[in-house]
Amino acid sequence: EAGVAQSPRYKIIEKRQSVAFWCNPISGHATLYWYQQILGQGPKLLIQFQNNGVVDDSQLPKDRFSAERLKGVDSTLKIQPAKLEDSAVYLCASSSGMGGNTIYFGEGSWLTVV
Amino acid sequence: QKEVEQNSGPLSVPEGAIASLNCTYSDRGSQSFFWYRQYSGKSPELIMFIYSNGDKEDGRFTAQLNKASQYVSLLIRDSQPSDSATYLCAVTRPSGNTPLVFGKGTRLSVIA
Repeated sequence: EAGVAQSPRYKIIEKRQSVAFWCNPISGHATLYWYQQILGQGPKLLIQFQNNGVVDDSQLPKDRFSAERLKGVDSTLKIQPAKLEDSAVYLCASSSGMGGNTIYFGEGSWLTVV
Repeated sequence: QKEVEQNSGPLSVPEGAIASLNCTYSDRGSQSFFWYRQYSGKSPELIMFIYSNGDKEDGRFTAQLNKASQYVSLLIRDSQPSDSATYLCAVTRPSGNTPLVFGKGTRLSVIA
């Protein structure tokens, strides 16, 4: 079974520039998450999708971050304009939502804002 | 008060010893509890989850849950250098089974 795919793996941008990350969840997983993990901290949920609807985006900085999952499969997370404090790993994860509550993480997209 | 608290460590144990990792959570209604392992530069991977009070064993790993004390722990028996990693505790909010709320993690170092 293929895991959660993310791209790009690494990105360096200047502050005020924009960046987009892409995620393809495990096949059949209805629930998709984007987490932000700053160095030395645990992952923090940015947004949760159930199919193509948003379940929780309470911690998403909506003035600069946006995310979509138009067809209920792939998802894109965008940051515009980026700030230095956005330097982090952006982890996409998915779950089947069918008991067990097991969430599977992708390898992450490492962002450095300079 | 943070939702999920862990001692950041590092926790150093000799090879073959028992490593004990602890976690407390603030929301008494939390339902499910998870331990993830994260190697440096890698994504978190699930080790164990526990729902009920008591102990749950899986190989060298034992998760312990005490809901009255709002405390969950992970014991690693016969620790190996390959166990050296950051261990993340995560809980689910009472509003639903997901998403997970993570602690900052405890860095474990097993010394050969």
